[in-house]
Amino acid sequence: KNEVEQSPQNLTAQEGEFITINCSYSVGISALHWLQQHPGGGIVSLFMLSSGKKKHGRLIATINIQEKHSSLHITASHPRDSAVYICAVEGVYNDMRFGAGTRLTVKP
Amino acid sequence: ETGVTQTPRHLVMGMTNKKSLKCEQHLGHNAMYWYKQSAKKPLELMFVYSLEERVENNSVPSRFSPECPNSSHLFLHLHTLQPEDSALYLCASSQNSLGANVLTFGAGSRLTVL
Repeated sequence: KNEVEQSPQNLTAQEGEFITINCSYSVGISALHWLQQHPGGGIVSLFMLSSGKKKHGRLIATINIQEKHSSLHITASHPRDSAVYICAVEGVYNDMRFGAGTRLTVKP
Repeated sequence: ETGVTQTPRHLVMGMTNKKSLKCEQHLGHNAMYWYKQSAKKPLELMFVYSLEERVENNSVPSRFSPECPNSSHLFLHLHTLQPEDSALYLCASSQNSLGANVLTFGAGSRLTVL
């Protein structure tokens, strides 16, 4: 069992829908990262958070340390949001563990 | 363009070849990383360099040999690879290797071993 579990694995939405991707982890962490990977491979760091909530444009990330759970929300989704979203946790010894990713497709 | 540049973007090599992947960053970061992304598997950390010294090696086979000549450049030398080594190899950098740091990734080098 992976120490970082993401759900769903695949997600298809219509343009404009509100989207939630979940991440659960089983290890102690110093920080949690949300990454976006577009076709072709390049990865962009969206958020790094260790508590509470962060917002950037239409993206919102939340984390509940007690429950070892984080969510990534996308409001008013757009086809350009189609990508693989990866949750990664940074352990207390600064080792990184990655989820398998959630493949999001937003249809016009 | 993220500020982390990887070359080549695509590489096809035979099992007896020797090749190298290159990564370059001019973000002033002190830590650089090699990650491997195989199909349908999570990203795997291979090597971490901090201020040009290797600080982590995640039990990577010796056919992968990293080199960090300075804090801006990182290489991954490849020798006698196996077909199962075919993957996307991603370089990343961060301000430091200790503490919570935002990673900046390169676009990746897609390697195919025949």
